Amino acid sequence: DQQVKQNSPSLSVQEGRISILNCDYTNSMFDYFLWYKKYPAEGPTFLISISSIKDKNEDGRFTVFLNKSAKHLSLHIVPSQPGDSAVYFCAASDNGGATNKLIFGTGTLLAVQP
Amino acid sequence: DADVTQTPRNRITKTGKRIMLECSQTKGHDRMYWYRQDPGLGLQLIYYSFDVKDINKGEISDGYSVSRQAQAKFSLSLESAIPNQTALYFCATSDRRELFFGEGSRLTVL
Repeated sequence: DQQVKQNSPSLSVQEGRISILNCDYTNSMFDYFLWYKKYPAEGPTFLISISSIKDKNEDGRFTVFLNKSAKHLSLHIVPSQPGDSAVYFCAASDNGGATNKLIFGTGTLLAVQP
Repeated sequence: DADVTQTPRNRITKTGKRIMLECSQTKGHDRMYWYRQDPGLGLQLIYYSFDVKDINKGEISDGYSVSRQAQAKFSLSLESAIPNQTALYFCATSDRRELFFGEGSRLTVL
């Protein structure tokens, strides 16, 4: 049973436009969410996180939105750049950020076209 | 030099062989993890350790074992490798807020 779901395996966006990556979860005990970015032949790297006490967190071009009632979060990248092309993983924890058991989604491959 | 180093980076082996993947870190973190990535399945937690004397099973620990030799070293073993253990394996450390991953070890079991 997939507790964290990324239903779009891939997304293609034009440079300069907005990229929106979506993530749904089923476990209402999750209270901390993270996005990781992964380039080929590299390990995933942390991008941005959000606690369940917030509904938005922003870091430069990246904004994460959390809708607890819908059990849904999204990552917005504005403006999108070719260097943003990577696989993006959504992850969730039920330990307030302790990350003892992060549950990951299946990933979305973002391609930003020049 | 990478903060989280995995060896080997690539390994091809045969069914039934014993394989060890090693991980070392210079970040000084107590918490270390082994994840497995398969196409279409994301990252799945195999084992994690909060300190040298603490080992915990993750989502998919069957067929795997681990050893925490020191704070900085955490190895993953496949006692008798099988083809469905072909995957990309990641070691990670944690500062309790996020995970820091190694570059991965690609294992192919023929």
